[in-house]
Amino acid sequence: GEDVEQSLFLSVREGDSSVINCTYTDSSSTYLYWYKQEPGAGLQLLTYIFSNMDMKQDQRLTVLLNKKDTHLSLRIADTQTGDSAIYFCAESKKSYQKVTFGTGTKLQVIP
Amino acid sequence: SAVISQKPSRDICQRGTSLTIQCQVDSQVTMMFWYRQQPGQSLTLIATANQGSEATYESGFVIDKFPISRPNLTFSTLTVSNMSPEDSSIYLCSAMTVATNEKLFFGSGTQLSVL
Repeated sequence: GEDVEQSLFLSVREGDSSVINCTYTDSSSTYLYWYKQEPGAGLQLLTYIFSNMDMKQDQRLTVLLNKKDTHLSLRIADTQTGDSAIYFCAESKKSYQKVTFGTGTKLQVIP
Repeated sequence: SAVISQKPSRDICQRGTSLTIQCQVDSQVTMMFWYRQQPGQSLTLIATANQGSEATYESGFVIDKFPISRPNLTFSTLTVSNMSPEDSSIYLCSAMTVATNEKLFFGSGTQLSVL
């Protein structure tokens, strides 16, 4: 199957860390992505990780992959009000293949 | 990254009419896709737009309802035919390009409301 599940909502205080979790069912997924969608906008690719990696860090963003448990997480350090958005986890089997999206997590940052 | 221009950005249409959405990519494209995002929902893939041949549709989507063209590498259109209020959604064009190292990038979407 190709289900990708996320919790619907997360609320954090400005300056704290946010952790958004994602579970996918297809262990053959090769590429895993995190996208951000602000109100009224398209999707912005934040970061991605290959299935042969456990972790990837990019400035305030840290992606952790547990392939055995098919679990992916996105940690945002020092969360800012501008980080308020919907975050989508996504997966694809390989290059040039369709990308399947998760249900999305709405992140609310409280000043 | 790639710039993906999509138009119109929004439209309000009457039941029974059709709307064609255009998508233009500014760099060499390997794959193009059309997604739908219903209100408060995630993205659902409608079809893969194939250059010079019929699009590849996902389960639940058919060519008669969502005809797609891709006359060249960087341009595609999606038509939403015989619209009903259930077609009210955001429609998103997306592409993988050489410039994006095959990662999927999105246009800004078309917000469609059907009365």
